[in-house]
Amino acid sequence: EDQVTQSPEALRLQEGESSSLNCSYTVSGLRGLFWYRQDPGKGPEFLFTLYSAGEEKEKERLKATLTKKESFLHITAPKPEDSATYLCAILTLTDSWGKFQFGAGTQVVVTP
Amino acid sequence: DTEVTQTPKHLVMGMTNKKSLKCEQHMGHRAMYWYKQKAKKPPELMFVYSYEKLSINESVPSRFSPECPNSSLLNLHLHALQPEDSALYLCASSPRTSGGTDEQFFGPGTRLTVL
Repeated sequence: EDQVTQSPEALRLQEGESSSLNCSYTVSGLRGLFWYRQDPGKGPEFLFTLYSAGEEKEKERLKATLTKKESFLHITAPKPEDSATYLCAILTLTDSWGKFQFGAGTQVVVTP
Repeated sequence: DTEVTQTPKHLVMGMTNKKSLKCEQHMGHRAMYWYKQKAKKPPELMFVYSYEKLSINESVPSRFSPECPNSSLLNLHLHALQPEDSALYLCASSPRTSGGTDEQFFGPGTRLTVL
C-alpha cells in the first residue's frame, strides 16, 4: 500500500537556525512529489514539484531534494514569516486521475 | 496567473439547509478537485473532475454532490449536512495535459460551519 510519512510532526526554530523536514514514501512507482506551505485557515500554497531522484529545487530560503525513498525540505536561516505547516504529497504512476496522497504535515514555528 | 477563486469565504448553515460552494479557475486547467480539511489534518480528497469526467472518493456521503458546468467552474452542492461536516473545503485545479506538470493549485477555501 502506498504511504507518505512526514517528520517531525512539529518543529520549533530560532530565527536563523537552519533545519530540515522529511517526507518518506513507499509507492510502487512515483510520478511526482510535491511540497506545499499552508498558513492557518488558508489553502495550501504550491512550493515545488520533484520528479526524479537527485532532483533539487530552490526558492528563497527553501530547498527541496528527492531520493528514491524520501524528500527533504531544507529551511536555511528561517525567519518568523516561514512559520507554517509544510505538506508533502505524492502522485503515483498507477494513478490516472491526479489524486494526491498527502502526508500529515510538519508544523514549523520560527521565533524571533 | 495561478489563481483559483472560491465563494463564499465563510458559510454557516443548518442541517436542513441546501447550499452550494463555488470554485473557478481561468488557467485552462483540465482537472479540478474538491477537498475537505479538518483542523490539524491534511486535505482529504472528495471528488475529481478530469477532462469533465468524475471520480469519487467512495467514503464521501451522498449529501455532498459535485457539479462541473464547464472546465472552468466547479460547484459543490450541500444538503442535509451534519455538524461533523464542518470543515475547510478546498478547491484545486491542475493542468493535467500530456507532457505537462501535475501540481495542483489551491483556492483559499470555504470555512463551513453546520449548526
